Amino acid sequence: AQKITQTQPGMFVQEKEAVTLDCTYDTSDPSYGLFWYKQPSSGEMIFLIYQGSYDQQNATEGRYSLNFQKARKSANLVISASQLGDSAMYFCAMREQGSARQLTFGSGTQLTVLP
Amino acid sequence: EAQVTQNPRYLITVTGKKLTVTCSQNMKNEYMSWYRQDPGLGLRQIYYSMNVEVTDKGDVPEGYKVSRKEKRNFPLILESPSPNQTSLYFCASSLTSTRNTIYFGEGSWLTVV
Repeated sequence: AQKITQTQPGMFVQEKEAVTLDCTYDTSDPSYGLFWYKQPSSGEMIFLIYQGSYDQQNATEGRYSLNFQKARKSANLVISASQLGDSAMYFCAMREQGSARQLTFGSGTQLTVLP
Repeated sequence: EAQVTQNPRYLITVTGKKLTVTCSQNMKNEYMSWYRQDPGLGLRQIYYSMNVEVTDKGDVPEGYKVSRKEKRNFPLILESPSPNQTSLYFCASSLTSTRNTIYFGEGSWLTVV
């Protein structure tokens, strides 16, 4: 079974609008962490935001926030006030405390910001 | 500055010609791993190492070898590359497997013809 599912292969958003990128996950480990990474066309992986399974509040980092719904096993990334520079591939990933495997990634969402 | 360095960054090679992608970290991290990225599949872990002389298979280890003779280096070896190993490869490092700060290399674009 897929551990991380990103159902939106591609998304478009108008500049200055907010956009939500979906991520659902599957784990039986009670302790885990969820990550979002941005990958611009140059290829490097840029860490955006992290949410721990025991964190009470949703994580926020500047224009990025993570909408964490534990019961639904979802960890959606919200980007507010989109900018042209936000056009990139976005990956959701999970780390399970009981696993030595570090990160399991979703298939990614290609976000395009329109002027 | 904490850094993971991969070489080469770009390579076109021919089927069957052995190649090594090097990965080096300038921290004292115990954990290192290799991922490959393919369209529609995201990043998948190839091999990982929890410390010197300790390596284990990830999700897609076939066709690859690794070694961890010293803490800073974790080379990825393709003994007989095939076209299906054409991919973008990332080396990653963290203090341990459970630490949230994960350093990625810049990626190595490998094409096997």
